[in-house]
Amino acid sequence: GAVVSQHPSRVICKSGTSVKIECRSLDFQATTMFWYRQFPKQSLMLMATSNEGSKATYEQGVEKDKFLINHASLTLSTLTVTSAHPEDSSFYICSARDSAGGGIEKLFFGSGTQLSVL
Amino acid sequence: QKEVEQDPGPLSVPEGAIVSLNCTYSNSAFQYFMWYRQYSRKGPELLMYTYSSGNKEDGRFTAQVDKSSKYISLFIRDSQPSDSATYLCAMSGAQAGTALIFGKGTTLSVSS
Repeated sequence: GAVVSQHPSRVICKSGTSVKIECRSLDFQATTMFWYRQFPKQSLMLMATSNEGSKATYEQGVEKDKFLINHASLTLSTLTVTSAHPEDSSFYICSARDSAGGGIEKLFFGSGTQLSVL
Repeated sequence: QKEVEQDPGPLSVPEGAIVSLNCTYSNSAFQYFMWYRQYSRKGPELLMYTYSSGNKEDGRFTAQVDKSSKYISLFIRDSQPSDSATYLCAMSGAQAGTALIFGKGTTLSVSS
């Protein structure tokens, strides 16, 4: 089946540094990718919708200057957490929708990135 | 009121039991109703999905949607220890490219 590769799977960084997370669709093209954040025992909260070649659409309450999203190609979207602070520590998950069409079964998730900011 | 409500549990059952997982929602525009399984610190994997109302069965799993009550269920028959995971309900509108709205997830533990 289709695979979405997300890297790194785990990152520990110092407060104030920036962290980049990559999300790649390996065997399909994805016009649209989604970024979610998940705190322990909480649901996946949509942060932003990433569209290839255009600006991302951010959900209310998500700082676009802090969470930079770049969807430069049909197979790659990146999320950069700028000037990370301990409260940004969370599990970040991307998902990608197959541009070839189809229903909800054509939405695939990455394996997630656990970010820990010291 | 949150758009999607799901009891986080935890839910513990013996092997072979029938498990019932449920979600309620408030947005009548939702048309797709999904159940995902998520293991600790992994991305969710799609178990089943239903478009609009009705039932859908796949092996030991049955998904039900009651749009009039804004209530969806997932039943697991003959539960196995390998079914132990967190089950997330998710919903979206009918338009392609619409993001999913997730429930909090219910943690299930099946003991042998």
